[in-house]
Amino acid sequence: TQLLEQSPQFLSIQEGENLTVYCNSSSVFSSLQWYRQEPGEGPVLLVTVVTGGEVKKLKRLTFQFGDARKDSSLHITAAQPGDTGLYLCAGAPNSGGSNYKLTFGKGTLLTVNP
Amino acid sequence: DAGITQSPRHKVTETGTPVTLRCHQTENHRYMYWYRQDPGHGLRLIHYSYGVKDTDKGEVSDGYSVSRSKTEDFLLTLESATSSQTSVYFCAIKTQGAITDTQYFGPGTRLTVL
Repeated sequence: TQLLEQSPQFLSIQEGENLTVYCNSSSVFSSLQWYRQEPGEGPVLLVTVVTGGEVKKLKRLTFQFGDARKDSSLHITAAQPGDTGLYLCAGAPNSGGSNYKLTFGKGTLLTVNP
Repeated sequence: DAGITQSPRHKVTETGTPVTLRCHQTENHRYMYWYRQDPGHGLRLIHYSYGVKDTDKGEVSDGYSVSRSKTEDFLLTLESATSSQTSVYFCAIKTQGAITDTQYFGPGTRLTVL
């Protein structure tokens, strides 16, 4: 069974601060996806990282996939109240086929205070 | 939004009654998934489908059944609802990309079992 450990579970910061969320596993994933979820809504895909060592930037968000494709991080620069939400990481299996299932972390609940 | 709708969006029912949740997609995706989301547990896979009439169990399938008689609809049934099935239920589809596959989520159904 593949597991994804996400940390921290909760994070409350002031507007303008930087933060990093981590997603770690002992398993290798073919890709890793980051989602953001707001209250009362479904998770919304932010980015997919595929190659070991890959770095992707989405405005103030920087996503990195570990060299061994076992871990990932999300860094937010100068956080804003609009960044508040639940951030989820999800790993895709190395094997494909009919049993394709994502492994989800439990999420990081981020609150950015004005 | 990948053309996913869920119905109903909210439901309150009593213990012991049958409940069916519907997921509808408009883009002919082969793979569809049902998850439940609970505090402290994150997203957990209930059942998934990899084609019409092709379904398989996820990690928390006890007490749930599914059916997929046509590509666009994936139904989740609680044969006899229990209070432990109070949760938010999300449907997802999987798209196939040139490099990797991605899951997109519906808006969710909030189910309360009294």
